Amino acid sequence: DGGITQSPKYLFRKEGQNVTLSCEQNLNHDAMYWYRQDPGQGLRLIYYSQIVNDFQKGDIAEGYSVSREKKESFPLTVTSAQKNPTAFYLCASKQGNTGELFFGEGSRLTVL
Amino acid sequence: AQSVSQHNHHVILSEAASLELGCNYSYGGTVNLFWYVQYPGQHLQLLLKYFSGDPLVKGIKGFEAEFIKSKFSFNLRKPSVQWSDTAEYFCAVNYMDSNYQLIWGAGTKLIIKP
Repeated sequence: DGGITQSPKYLFRKEGQNVTLSCEQNLNHDAMYWYRQDPGQGLRLIYYSQIVNDFQKGDIAEGYSVSREKKESFPLTVTSAQKNPTAFYLCASKQGNTGELFFGEGSRLTVL
Repeated sequence: AQSVSQHNHHVILSEAASLELGCNYSYGGTVNLFWYVQYPGQHLQLLLKYFSGDPLVKGIKGFEAEFIKSKFSFNLRKPSVQWSDTAEYFCAVNYMDSNYQLIWGAGTKLIIKP
């Protein structure tokens, strides 16, 4: 089945540690996105990539980094510089400019 | 700045009640409009979308939405809700002159009492 796979589903991290969230898609979509979802705030865009080897900062990129070495993969690193990293992270992909977004099941990160 | 406003953060209804969730956006240019739904424990999925044509669009599970350009609104409706409609609903707007990035509303948590 085509879709987006995020891992891990749950992750605990100590303060000061970097952590990388995986996102893989087999939909052959060009564009991929990382969102952060916090209660009452909707989805906020962290980073997006419209093509391999290129990515752009979203609205809340500080403290995060990404790479897009392969079309299928768009990992997100939450660095120790992110001041409030505990959140639910969603990866999505899209084909074309106006197509619908397809989402993964999300990764819930808790910083202890 | 472009923004999307969902009027109610929490809505509680009894089964068979009618539903209307409000969504307004701030910009008057060309837009594509979406409603996404997140059922408990599941991933976000598309409920319905409007690109052009008939402003009344039908989605999955009996939902519909009406695009009223003069009011910058795209309200979601369902005549008779079911317990299984309990979910969080997000309105999103794709501004065509903003690099096609989606702007999201804050979401509305809908609870249906059996």
